[in-house]
Amino acid sequence: EAGVTQSPTHLIKTRGQQATLRCSPISGHTSVYWYQQALGLGLQFLLWYDEGEERNRGNFPPRFSGRQFPNYSSELNVNALELEDSALYLCASSLDEGKLNEKLFFGSGTQLSVL
Amino acid sequence: TQLLEQSPQFLSIQEGENLTVYCNSSSVFSSLQWYRQEPGEGPVLLVTVVTGGEVKKLKRLTFQFGDARKDSSLHITAAQPGDTGLYLCSYSGAGSYQLTFGKGTKLSVIP
Repeated sequence: EAGVTQSPTHLIKTRGQQATLRCSPISGHTSVYWYQQALGLGLQFLLWYDEGEERNRGNFPPRFSGRQFPNYSSELNVNALELEDSALYLCASSLDEGKLNEKLFFGSGTQLSVL
Repeated sequence: TQLLEQSPQFLSIQEGENLTVYCNSSSVFSSLQWYRQEPGEGPVLLVTVVTGGEVKKLKRLTFQFGDARKDSSLHITAAQPGDTGLYLCSYSGAGSYQLTFGKGTKLSVIP
């Protein structure tokens, strides 16, 4: 069974551009989470999608947005890129059983570099 | 948001040595999770501890949840190069559906 897949693996952009990152969850998983892992800051929660809806959002500006498609795959969009957006962006999926789920399955991430 | 403090931040040891890393908070948790993230990969769940005083073993890894459920430790016996990685602890806050992570302990095991 395929795990969580993310694309692209690496992405290089310049300041002010827009970036789109993609994630396919494990088959059968309906919840998708996005985390940012920047040097020295650890994993910071960005967004949670379930059944096509945004369920929760971390402390990030509105230029970080995303969506979840009917097949449960997800996109993260970052507009007006800034240098400090350089980080590893991790996607995770889980079975949403209508309750707190502590077991996340992570992809290998997209390394975004903003020059 | 409750803070998770992990220590040490970095640890470099020789193969065969034992080590302990810590995850501490001033808050009480219903459960804590430990993840390991290898270079170039996403984190992988190792264990969830739920009961105060609970001890769980995963081969050479021993996880303990403090009696007061405010802290946890991970002990590795006879470390091997394959143990190299970033060890993260995390919790799920009340009413929250996402995990909050500590900054992690970066472990390097030198052959």
